Amino acid sequence: GAVVSQHPSRVICKSGTSVKIECRSLDFQATTMFWYRQFPKQSLMLMATSNEGSKATYEQGVEKDKFLINHASLTLSTLTVTSAHPEDSSFYICSARGSNTGELFFGEGSRLTVL
Amino acid sequence: SQKIEQNSEALNIQEGKTATLTCNYTNYSPAYLQWYRQDPGRGPVFLLLIRENEKEKRKERLKVTFDTTLKQSLFHITASQPADSATYLCALSPGGNNDMRFGAGTRLTVKP
Repeated sequence: GAVVSQHPSRVICKSGTSVKIECRSLDFQATTMFWYRQFPKQSLMLMATSNEGSKATYEQGVEKDKFLINHASLTLSTLTVTSAHPEDSSFYICSARGSNTGELFFGEGSRLTVL
Repeated sequence: SQKIEQNSEALNIQEGKTATLTCNYTNYSPAYLQWYRQDPGRGPVFLLLIRENEKEKRKERLKVTFDTTLKQSLFHITASQPADSATYLCALSPGGNNDMRFGAGTRLTVKP
């Protein structure tokens, strides 16, 4: 099946710093990728839709200036959490549609801890 | 408001029994619905997709039903095994653009 890779899997940073998370589709091209956030014991919340070559579409309540998304190629989308604060600590997961069946392939997730 | 509700936060069953998980949605008219499995600290893994014109779909020990009148999907695991223990998520796309929205999930524990 299609593979989506995320990096880093874990990151710890100080409050006020910025963190970049990469999401790559390894064996297919993804014109659209999706970024989710998941807090402990809660479900995945869609943050934004990342579109190759154009601006991301953000969900209501998600600050686009805080969560910068870049989808510069058909195999790479990045999420940058700018000026991170402890409340941004969460599990961030990306996904991409791999086929015409509509299923999403998810990365392994990136656990961000902001001290 | 739009909601996706999985009625059981946790479900414990004995090995060999059938697990049945429920997903109800409100104020959506999805063209299809999906089920995923998520293990702790990992990303979700796709299991099954069922379209609005399909009543039932099977894959090995898994069976999914979709009732658009009741706005409900049922997910069954037959002959359950301890390895089936995980959180199961239902998901649907409001606009059919793959921007999937997820339910809170049901944490299934299969005891030997």
